Amino acid sequence: GIQVEQSPPDLILQEGANSTLRCNFSDSVNNLQWFHQNPWGQLINLFYIPSGTKQNGRLSATTVATERYSLLYISSSQTTDSGVYFCAVGQGAQKLVFGQGTRLTINP
Amino acid sequence: DSGVTQTPKHLITATGQRVTLRCSPRSGDLSVYWYQQSLDQGLQFLIQYYNGEERAKGNILERFSAQQFPDLHSELNLSSLELGDSALYFCASSVGARDGYTFGSGTRLTVV
Repeated sequence: GIQVEQSPPDLILQEGANSTLRCNFSDSVNNLQWFHQNPWGQLINLFYIPSGTKQNGRLSATTVATERYSLLYISSSQTTDSGVYFCAVGQGAQKLVFGQGTRLTINP
Repeated sequence: DSGVTQTPKHLITATGQRVTLRCSPRSGDLSVYWYQQSLDQGLQFLIQYYNGEERAKGNILERFSAQQFPDLHSELNLSSLELGDSALYFCASSVGARDGYTFGSGTRLTVV
């Protein structure tokens, strides 16, 4: 099955810093989503982005489907950005396969 | 509130018992997915339903079963529970398989 690799596994930053999270996948996909799991365990959908670029406030994402990777950018980090960020991909009408996540810690 | 409702939020039960987890999808969503999140396995897909029919199965144990009812709510049944079944169980819904997923808040199952 398709493999999803996220990097880095852990990231510790000071409030106000910018960060880039990467997601590589092993095969072509037609569904790619980014999620944030907050410290209370809730999974929040950030982007549905099988290709192209999207922005939502301080967050933006870019997927280059032909090169099989996606990037999530977080600018001017806040402590509430802490948590685990997951990339998940799907092929055809298949279910989403999740990466192992990037744990982001934003210190005040 | 994401619009996907899962009950109960927490469940503590003994080994060998059977439990039922319930999920009500977001209004208008026809697809329901169940995922298991454990510390060592990450988020693992269990099963998918679309408009009442099973569409895909993942690493779901034979002791586990699920169904989606005519009103589109879904139930995940876990039987002969083992300590290793302790995990967070998430339900998600979407309009279709190629649309964004909305997750519920999960059910934290602890088997003692």
